[in-house]
Amino acid sequence: ELKVEQNPLFLSMQEEKNYTIYCNYSTTSDRLYWYRQDPGKSLESLFVLLSNGAVKQEGRLMASLDTKARLSTLHITAAVHDLSATYFCAGGGSEKLVFGKGTKLTVNP
Amino acid sequence: GAGVSQSPRYKVTKRGQDVALRCDPISGHVSLYWYRQALGQGPEFLTYFNYEAQQDKSGLPNDRFSAERPEGSISTLTIQRTEQRDSAMYRCASSIGGRGDTIYFGEGSWLTVV
Repeated sequence: ELKVEQNPLFLSMQEEKNYTIYCNYSTTSDRLYWYRQDPGKSLESLFVLLSNGAVKQEGRLMASLDTKARLSTLHITAAVHDLSATYFCAGGGSEKLVFGKGTKLTVNP
Repeated sequence: GAGVSQSPRYKVTKRGQDVALRCDPISGHVSLYWYRQALGQGPEFLTYFNYEAQQDKSGLPNDRFSAERPEGSISTLTIQRTEQRDSAMYRCASSIGGRGDTIYFGEGSWLTVV
């Protein structure tokens, strides 16, 4: 059964700094999703990664996938306050997605 | 509609009552999913439909939980004889239907069993 682990679970960053969130998964997953969730809100899709070596970027966020290492990363460049949120990764070999516990990101001035 | 619509947004029910949660997916989306999200946790899979066919119900916790999507559009998640441990956010999601498509989540139905 697929297990998805994110780390760190909590991340306090300073503005303008760079950091990376890691998402490890235990068995084969043919796709990897990243979502953002603001408090009390729904999940907003950020990226869908489908193949080994896939890299996608949107603004200050860049996601990559290494299927051999069973690892996806979400890199944050020059953080700004409005990136504060909880970020989830999710994977699956079928239609059933398994989510990580989430990384709560706080960007401080 | 523009997004996945769920109702009711908030439901308080007494233990032992049945509840029905409704999901209206994005128009034209073939795949529909139900997830449950506890506070501070990631969503947990419950069930999945392709058109009207329930393809996977392996995440339904027990036989008090059921779901249907009779016409391949709106779906209902029903919880019979609710218990306090059923209290959670229930989220519906939909996608066009291809592997690797973006999966869009609704705002959720927050269920409290008292």
